[in-house]
Amino acid sequence: GAGVSQSPSNKVTEKGKDVELRCDPISGHTALYWYRQSLGQGLEFLIYFQGNSAPDKSGLPSDRFSAERTGGSVSTLTIQRTQQEDSAVYLCASSFRDITHEQYFGPGTRLTVT
Amino acid sequence: DQQVKQNSPSLSVQEGRISILNCDYTNSMFDYFLWYKKYPAEGPTFLISISSIKDKNEDGRFTVFLNKSAKHLSLHIVPSQPGDSAVYFCAARKKGGSEKLVFGKGTKLTVNP
Repeated sequence: GAGVSQSPSNKVTEKGKDVELRCDPISGHTALYWYRQSLGQGLEFLIYFQGNSAPDKSGLPSDRFSAERTGGSVSTLTIQRTQQEDSAVYLCASSFRDITHEQYFGPGTRLTVT
Repeated sequence: DQQVKQNSPSLSVQEGRISILNCDYTNSMFDYFLWYKKYPAEGPTFLISISSIKDKNEDGRFTVFLNKSAKHLSLHIVPSQPGDSAVYFCAARKKGGSEKLVFGKGTKLTVNP
């Protein structure tokens, strides 16, 4: 069975450019999450989707960050006008919404802003 | 403020011995706790979890203990194996909140042959 996949695996971009990161969750998982991990830090929550709606966007650091999910499946995280402090590994996770709360993570996208 | 703290950035143990990884939390609204293992260049992998209504959960070589009064949990790995070498993250979920997990900064475990 396929796990969570993310693309691209690595992205190098110039400061000021926009980037799109993609996540394909496990089939049938209704919940989808985006986190990021900066160097030496833990995972930082960005946004949570249940179906196509986002009941919790509290972790998005600025209005340069946005995300959408379509068809209850694929999600795209967009960062506009990238800054050097956006450099991090962006991780996507998905889960069934059940009592166990286990989230299954993809391999991440390493974003480097030069 | 950091609600989930892993105060030991690294831990080194001998193969066959016990590994004990610790985690402290500050938010009494957390009701579910999870441990994840992460290898380099991979996403975190779920390891074991515990509900706040329990004080112990065991799965093979892995046991998680929860001390609610101390707001402390620990992961025990017995016996430790070289393949257990990874970064271990403690995570918590808040009761009645969104499904997001709050993570600690991780502890890098090295198991020496």
